[in-house]
Amino acid sequence: EAGVAQSPRYKIIEKRQSVAFWCNPISGHATLYWYQQILGQGPKLLIQFQNNGVVDDSQLPKDRFSAERLKGVDSTLKIQPAKLEDSAVYLCASSLGERTGVRWEQFFGPGTRLTVL
Amino acid sequence: GESVGLHLPTLSVQEGDNSIINCAYSNSASDYFIWYKQESGKGPQFIIDIRSNMDKRQGQRVTVLLNKTVKHLSLQIAATQPGDSAVYFCAENRYSGAGSYQLTFGKGTKLSVIP
Repeated sequence: EAGVAQSPRYKIIEKRQSVAFWCNPISGHATLYWYQQILGQGPKLLIQFQNNGVVDDSQLPKDRFSAERLKGVDSTLKIQPAKLEDSAVYLCASSLGERTGVRWEQFFGPGTRLTVL
Repeated sequence: GESVGLHLPTLSVQEGDNSIINCAYSNSASDYFIWYKQESGKGPQFIIDIRSNMDKRQGQRVTVLLNKTVKHLSLQIAATQPGDSAVYFCAENRYSGAGSYQLTFGKGTKLSVIP
């Protein structure tokens, strides 16, 4: 079974520039998550999708961050404009999204390491 | 506020010894507690979980203990190997509605295995 795919793996930009990250979840997974992981910290949830609808975006800085999952499969996360404090690894995860059994388990992609100069 | 935290940021153990990584949590309304392993350049990888109505669960070389009285979680790794070197996170898992769950992670403990 293929895992969660993310691209690019690394990105370096200057502050005030824009950047976009792409995620392809595991086939059949209804729920998709974007996390921000600052160096030395645990991942922090930014946004959660169930199919193509947003379940929770309460921790997404909406003045500069946006995310979409138009067809309920792939997703993109955009930052515009970027700030120095946005330097982090952006992780995408997916899960089946069912309540029963252990189908809540989230599978993580390798992440995109963003450096803002 | 709600948080999941760790007692120690780093842990060094001799190869072959047992490792114990601890975690404190503050939110009692969680369905599961999970331990993740994150190697450099990779995303977190599921190790083991424990349902909130259990106090112990064993896997292959790993054991998780849950003490709800003091809101404490621990991960025990038996016969630690060099491949166990990584950052370990505890996380709490709660139902977030619409058939999906959310994870809240702690800060992590870096485990270094000395050959």
